[in-house]
Amino acid sequence: AQSVTQPDIHITVSEGASLELRCNYSYGATPYLFWYVQSPGQGLQLLLKYFSGDTLVQGIKGFEAEFKRSQSSFNLRKPSVHWSDAAEYFCAVGAKNYGQNFVFGPGTRLSVLP
Amino acid sequence: EADIYQTPRYLVIGTGKKITLECSQTMGHDKMYWYQQDPGMELHLIHYSYGVNSTEKGDLSSESTVSRIRTEHFPLTLESARPSHTSQYLCASRGRDRGIGNEQFFGPGTRLTVL
Repeated sequence: AQSVTQPDIHITVSEGASLELRCNYSYGATPYLFWYVQSPGQGLQLLLKYFSGDTLVQGIKGFEAEFKRSQSSFNLRKPSVHWSDAAEYFCAVGAKNYGQNFVFGPGTRLSVLP
Repeated sequence: EADIYQTPRYLVIGTGKKITLECSQTMGHDKMYWYQQDPGMELHLIHYSYGVNSTEKGDLSSESTVSRIRTEHFPLTLESARPSHTSQYLCASRGRDRGIGNEQFFGPGTRLTVL
């Protein structure tokens, strides 16, 4: 069965500092991988996705993520965090078998200090 | 432009009332989903649909029901609301896979409070 873990429940960084949010998945083959962001009281917005090819993917708002097959990881990074990045971040796995639903991680809450 | 709509955005009702949360998408997506999410918590899949006249229960047991009689519309109904139903409800849709990792698109959510 697929599963997604996000080891960090809550991370606090200072504005301008770099950020890395961890995501590990369990799946028998290479899945589709996604990072979503959710602001309070809102729905989820896609930041970026990996489905094949280059293992370093670029997303919106200056985010990037790297797929590492050997570590079953898909960590999200940003070189310089802005106060507006404070939100909840969800990693998700979507199997290439179209008949299966996504599995979402539990989320990491990001706080940004001025 | 990907559009998925949910109404109402906020709803406060009394115990025992019947309510329907609306979800519509204009992208022609065949797959649609309902998630329940408490504030700051993870998403729980409660219902999904792979197409018209197809509905399935998700991983989290829910007293709600859904219907899918039109591709674009996937309403969720609670016959008798209770305080335990207080939560945020998120609707999502996904199109057919074309080998590019098509994602789920999310609506803005409905925040339900049952008094």
